[in-house]
Amino acid sequence: DSGVTQTPKHLITATGQRVTLRCSPRSGDLSVYWYQQSLDQGLQFLIQYYNGEERAKGNILERFSAQQFPDLHSELNLSSLELGDSALYFCASSPHGTDPDTQYFGPGTRLTVL
Amino acid sequence: GQQVMQIPQYQHVQEGEDFTTYCNSSTTLSNIQWYKQRPGGHPVFLIQLVKSGEVKKQKRLTFQFGEAKKNSSLHITATQTTDVGTYFCAGRNTGGFKTIFGAGTRLFVKA
Repeated sequence: DSGVTQTPKHLITATGQRVTLRCSPRSGDLSVYWYQQSLDQGLQFLIQYYNGEERAKGNILERFSAQQFPDLHSELNLSSLELGDSALYFCASSPHGTDPDTQYFGPGTRLTVL
Repeated sequence: GQQVMQIPQYQHVQEGEDFTTYCNSSTTLSNIQWYKQRPGGHPVFLIQLVKSGEVKKQKRLTFQFGEAKKNSSLHITATQTTDVGTYFCAGRNTGGFKTIFGAGTRLFVKA
């Protein structure tokens, strides 16, 4: 158990819908990362937040947005969902979000878009 | 932009054989991390290398960071069935915030 929690574990929805994925980092970690992992693929970095502010951005679609709240939990919002958005979404946290820093991954949310 | 290439994509070995995965970056890295993801699981941190030429060992696993800090390798001696999974390297540019993951090497071990 990494100490990072993600809800929900599974999510099934239809194309065109909007969903919100939630992540609670390890106690004391200030940085949160979001990744997308499609079936048998690598980890695609989406976005990083540090202490409530956006720190780095990857290949995140405009239909996707995220934020980190004052209590440090984070949400990833996915809208106008397409079939290709079906994937595992991982959240990771790290103490500082600076170099060097270890990331601790949550169990992931499996999103299925029908 | 920064790219982290990892080879091979897949590796099938007989239990007891050795295994190596390689990671190469297009730019100099400040550090490199290795993660393991078991089938159906989430990535789990294995180790971090920071210094040029650094070598670290964890039981049967040996990790190396190249002198130029652009490449790294993970070597497993005498693989076991418990080693199955995908091994990812992840590197961060010097002075940057983004950590880029390699595509991973999926290891299959036949008993």
